[in-house]
Amino acid sequence: EDQVTQSPEALRLQEGESSSLNCSYTVSGLRGLFWYRQDPGKGPEFLFTLYSAGEEKEKERLKATLTKKESFLHITAPKPEDSATYLCAVHKSFQKLVFGTGTRLLVSP
Amino acid sequence: GAGVSQSPSNKVTEKGKDVELRCDPISGHTALYWYRQSLGQGLEFLIYFQGNSAPDKSGLPSDRFSAERTGGSVSTLTIQRTQQEDSAVYLCASSTDPAGSPLHFGNGTRLTVT
Repeated sequence: EDQVTQSPEALRLQEGESSSLNCSYTVSGLRGLFWYRQDPGKGPEFLFTLYSAGEEKEKERLKATLTKKESFLHITAPKPEDSATYLCAVHKSFQKLVFGTGTRLLVSP
Repeated sequence: GAGVSQSPSNKVTEKGKDVELRCDPISGHTALYWYRQSLGQGLEFLIYFQGNSAPDKSGLPSDRFSAERTGGSVSTLTIQRTQQEDSAVYLCASSTDPAGSPLHFGNGTRLTVT
């Protein structure tokens, strides 16, 4: 059965305190892994797509990496505006994305 | 440019009534998707459209749920005889093609069945 598991469920950081979010997956026929950010009352906002093990993508304070079984979203020196729920999803056929339940990140000033 | 637009943003209905949720995708996006997000749950795939046809309806939870897309643009998700377990946020997304391009989501319709 296809599964995407994100950990931790919730994470509280002080401003400037770097950390990583984990997404592990068991999916047959993986065609890509996506990271999204979701703010309360909003739809998910696309961050990154990773296609193959060893690939890395960066955007501002965020860096996503991919191995054959998991992906990490590294947050360097986070700011309060980085507070959100971060969602991981894996891409199968017909662009059917299988989502994890997300990590709720709170960054305190 | 304009993003994915969904209406209404909130809908409260009585159990047993029918509801229609609308999605207006990004212009030029041929692929359109409906997902459902319940409290504490991940996003649940409902249906995918390529143009006006739906090659994957596997996620529709029951025959009370149906969706259509017309003119390769606007889509409507209809829920008949709503039940309390249908309460959730219904999200629509579109993309340029199904071959790996990212999905762009609207802000959803929050459906509450009383």
